[in-house]
Amino acid sequence: ETGVTQSPTHLIKTRGQQVTLRCSSQSGHNTVSWYQQALGQGPQFIFQYYREEENGRGNFPPRFSGLQFPNYSSELNVNALELDDSALYLCASSPGATNEKLFFGSGTQLSVL
Amino acid sequence: DAKTTQPPSMDCAEGRAANLPCNHSTISGNEYVYWYRQIHSQGPQYIIHGLKNNETNEMASLIITEDRKSSTLILPHATLRDTAVYYCIVLNTGNQFYFGTGTSLTVIP
Repeated sequence: ETGVTQSPTHLIKTRGQQVTLRCSSQSGHNTVSWYQQALGQGPQFIFQYYREEENGRGNFPPRFSGLQFPNYSSELNVNALELDDSALYLCASSPGATNEKLFFGSGTQLSVL
Repeated sequence: DAKTTQPPSMDCAEGRAANLPCNHSTISGNEYVYWYRQIHSQGPQYIIHGLKNNETNEMASLIITEDRKSSTLILPHATLRDTAVYYCIVLNTGNQFYFGTGTSLTVIP
């Protein structure tokens, strides 16, 4: 067990809708990262937060946004959903500012119809 | 960012050592090599990491060549539960993990 929990485990949305995915990190883990994993691909880095501020972003459009809260929880928001957004979304946390030994949750499987 | 190259798939007999290679010829001097694995429908799991020296823990050993351009992950006695996709990652200076497509290891009874 990694101590990182994600909710919901599965979600179905329609194109154009908005979605919020949630993650609860281990207590004391100040860094949280989000990844998108399409079927048959490796996880792709979306962005990273350290102490509630975004400090890194991958090649994803602005409709992907996030929040990190003082209680070690975080959110990934995706607006204007597209069919290609269908994927497994993974949250990962680590204690410090550097991404040593990421602890991953089991992910949220998002299907966009 | 240093990229990694791994074979797409490998088989290993149960109880034998599994040796998973990775090329990272553009790695910089201060970039670490990390290995993670992902069992179907789960999040990636940390295995081991290293900079220059060989490393060993309860899960695996990591052998890094002297020029640091390649490495090998060794699972000493593979079991069926080691069947997974194994990712070799070079941690970039922005401290962000970039996963490739990994090696799908199948342990055969």
